[in-house]
Amino acid sequence: DIQMTQSPSSLSASVGDRVTITCRASQSISSYLNWYQHKPGKAPKLLIYAASSLQSGVPSRFSGSGSGTDFTLTISSLQPEDFATYYCQQSYSSPHTFGQGTKLEIK
Amino acid sequence: QLQLQESGPGLVKPSETLSLTCTVSGGSISSSVNYWGWIRQPPGKGLEWIGSIYYSGSTYYNPSLKSRVTISVDTSKNQFSLKLSSVTAADTAVYYCARRGGEMYNWFDPWGQGTLVTVSS
Repeated sequence: DIQMTQSPSSLSASVGDRVTITCRASQSISSYLNWYQHKPGKAPKLLIYAASSLQSGVPSRFSGSGSGTDFTLTISSLQPEDFATYYCQQSYSSPHTFGQGTKLEIK
Repeated sequence: QLQLQESGPGLVKPSETLSLTCTVSGGSISSSVNYWGWIRQPPGKGLEWIGSIYYSGSTYYNPSLKSRVTISVDTSKNQFSLKLSSVTAADTAVYYCARRGGEMYNWFDPWGQGTLVTVSS
């Protein structure tokens, strides 16, 4: 199985901050990397697919980059509704595996 | 707008079989592009993919659960289902169904709201 490791596990930030979350794969996954936002009691929401493609309807302050084993999710200017847990997920091979999550909290 | 909704018992006894159904609305489960999947999240833990199914019935499962999992599809009802046998407390989780979309690149979107299943006597 491909292991996905996110860092940090948690992060405190303020509205307006620029935030970067990192995801590392245990082997090369090309650009087969997705990012999701998950709020308590809600369905996870796809933000970024294929490492850098913005899902329709997702604000442009979200962006993704990377290929191979190292990927980043960047939020350019945090908004109050962005405080949530973020997960990366590889779709390179089965089983599809997720990172352990990064909880973004209000400072 | 495609929507998914999980349904099934919220409490299952140890050693019994967990059964959940996902109802798809706003689109056909028989779409040639999509697979349909189950993902779970134990309390306080991360997300774990369980398995996926194509409308034809073709399936693939997480090897860690494969011996206990069966996913099936009912195209006439626009539903797909999950059965997980011989459950233990470790199977307590919020269970989500989702569409696996995309062709060359795949992703899960949208997801259902999730349903909590507790394994307890």
